[in-house]
Amino acid sequence: GAGVSQSPSNKVTEKGKDVELRCDPISGHTALYWYRQSLGQGLEFLIYFQGNSAPDKSGLPSDRFSAERTGGSVSTLTIQRTQQEDSAVYLCASSLGESSYNEQFFGPGTRLTVL
Amino acid sequence: GDSVTQMEGPVTLSEEACLTINCTYTATGYPSLFWYVQYPGEGLQLLLKATKADDKGSNKGFEATYRKETTSFHLEKGSVQVSDSAVYFCALSVSGGFKTIFGAGTRLFVKA
Repeated sequence: GAGVSQSPSNKVTEKGKDVELRCDPISGHTALYWYRQSLGQGLEFLIYFQGNSAPDKSGLPSDRFSAERTGGSVSTLTIQRTQQEDSAVYLCASSLGESSYNEQFFGPGTRLTVL
Repeated sequence: GDSVTQMEGPVTLSEEACLTINCTYTATGYPSLFWYVQYPGEGLQLLLKATKADDKGSNKGFEATYRKETTSFHLEKGSVQVSDSAVYFCALSVSGGFKTIFGAGTRLFVKA
């Protein structure tokens, strides 16, 4: 079956513009995660969804970041008024459930460059 | 708070050399421990995992043992190949939780 897909694969934007990143999880996976990977850094947890609900949004770096998930499937991560420090690879992952034992399956990421 | 510390890279080895990438953790409760790998141009994928103390995860010749007494989960391979060149991430997920905490990653280069 298809894996996790993300779009766009690359996004170049100007400082101050809004961007929207999309994630399509594996069908049937109820848990969905967003991470940010900055150059040379590890993965920074942003937000987690169980179904359409986001129990913990505390990883979002600022109020310019928001995310939603509809129909228990597709999720979008929106960054408003982008700043240069937002430049990073944004990774989405999904898993069968929220158990800590469950493997997360990662998408290829969206590389965001803010000029 | 929960955290993962892994050895800094890059690590450069010759083919057939032994590999150890150190990983230690701090966590409340009883975490599950993971190693993820990111091959060049590819997404992260699970390499192996262990869900309780003294468990050994293994895959593709790699092994890691969950050591509660030393809070460690070191990744080992007896004989590396050029195709093992990648970035390796140690991670933990606390029981009953959903957040997975990742280490900074260790880049491995294997020379022919």
